[in-house]
Amino acid sequence: EAQVTQNPRYLITVTGKKLTVTCSQNMNHEYMSWYRQDPGLGLRQIYYSMNVEVTDKGDVPEGYKVSRKEKRNFPLILESPSPNQTSLYFCASSFGQASSYNSPLHFGNGTRLTVT
Amino acid sequence: SQKIEQNSEALNIQEGKTATLTCNYTNYSPAYLQWYRQDPGRGPVFLLLIRENEKEKRKERLKVTFDTTLKQSLFHITASQPADSATYLCAHRNQAGTALIFGKGTTLSVSS
Repeated sequence: EAQVTQNPRYLITVTGKKLTVTCSQNMNHEYMSWYRQDPGLGLRQIYYSMNVEVTDKGDVPEGYKVSRKEKRNFPLILESPSPNQTSLYFCASSFGQASSYNSPLHFGNGTRLTVT
Repeated sequence: SQKIEQNSEALNIQEGKTATLTCNYTNYSPAYLQWYRQDPGRGPVFLLLIRENEKEKRKERLKVTFDTTLKQSLFHITASQPADSATYLCAHRNQAGTALIFGKGTTLSVSS
């Protein structure tokens, strides 16, 4: 089954404790992206990757890092989490560029992160 | 900056009626618009895409229109059912092709 898999689904942590949220897709997609979703603010892009070893900042990259060493994996790293990073996070992927005409975005089921 | 606005945060209708959701965009004329469905705590799921040269697109009980003069898309669900209750998101790709920009969504509640 074609899918984007994120882990974990739920994560509670404390301020400053480094964490990684994993994302993997099995569709051989070039493009991958991370979004966060907050009430009243909607979905906002954190980072994106157009292909292996090519990553760039989205609209809200502060406090986050990513890597793209393999085509299928795109982990999101929070080096020193803070309470304002409490949010619902989504990984997404598509062929070519972001959600092209022939390839809409496929989303994972989300990771709900709480930082206390 | 490119913006998408979905005017209604919430829409409540009775089963069997037609739901109509509105999406407006500014500052940029996208080549196509997309609609996604999101259930609570889950990732958005793609529903329909409509190109700027298509006035209307249909898929089963769903219909989308695209008016480039008004810079607006309408999303219709006919013969609505309680199972249609969800948040519906309008989106378009940014000019650089690096991101999908979403509206904040309209939460539809269909009561039986």
